[in-house]
Amino acid sequence: DADVTQTPRNRITKTGKRIMLECSQTKGHDRMYWYRQDPGLGLRLIYYSFDVKDINKGEISDGYSVSRQAQAKFSLSLESAIPNQTALYFCATSGASSTDTQYFGPGTRLTVL
Amino acid sequence: GDSVTQMEGPVTLSEEAFLTINCTYTATGYPSLFWYVQYPGEGLQLLLKATKADDKGSNKGFEATYRKETTSFHLEKGSVQVSDSAVYFCALRGFNGNTPLVFGKGTRLSVIA
Repeated sequence: DADVTQTPRNRITKTGKRIMLECSQTKGHDRMYWYRQDPGLGLRLIYYSFDVKDINKGEISDGYSVSRQAQAKFSLSLESAIPNQTALYFCATSGASSTDTQYFGPGTRLTVL
Repeated sequence: GDSVTQMEGPVTLSEEAFLTINCTYTATGYPSLFWYVQYPGEGLQLLLKATKADDKGSNKGFEATYRKETTSFHLEKGSVQVSDSAVYFCALRGFNGNTPLVFGKGTRLSVIA
């Protein structure tokens, strides 16, 4: 089984709809992350959480919110989706050490019409 | 703040050619350095890492050496294969581990037979 799973894998929605992307991990790590990938812009951090009670904004948090339901679960919401949020979204998890590997999910491709 | 700069692509090589993808960084102290690879349609996965100066990370024929004096972590492979076609990301995490990974913008490599 995959270490990090994301649901759904693909989603097409309309402007103004509320969308939730879910992420689960089986690594037992405290730290989880949400990234967005756009062509030519690399990966940009949306939110991150270093433990269940800790939530931090990344560089592009506007228009997004998150919920850390448990150590293993971290969901990303778009309260009112807009077309420029069309992108590939990745969840990731890591340990607390600076040397720890970060493990990524397979991604969710979101299209906002 | 911490940052990573990597050469822009795309890079197109013939099979068995030598590959170099340049990566330089800005950070305080001694960060940990990583190369991640993203194959088509997949999430990112760790390719190799180095956690202190002069360390050499290696995997699947790829190598990178942590050069503190030039703040660089260039990725090399002596003979690329078609299966190496992917996007490669250089990344760092600060020495105290209290910040998320910082990524470069990625370099797309295409290897043609």
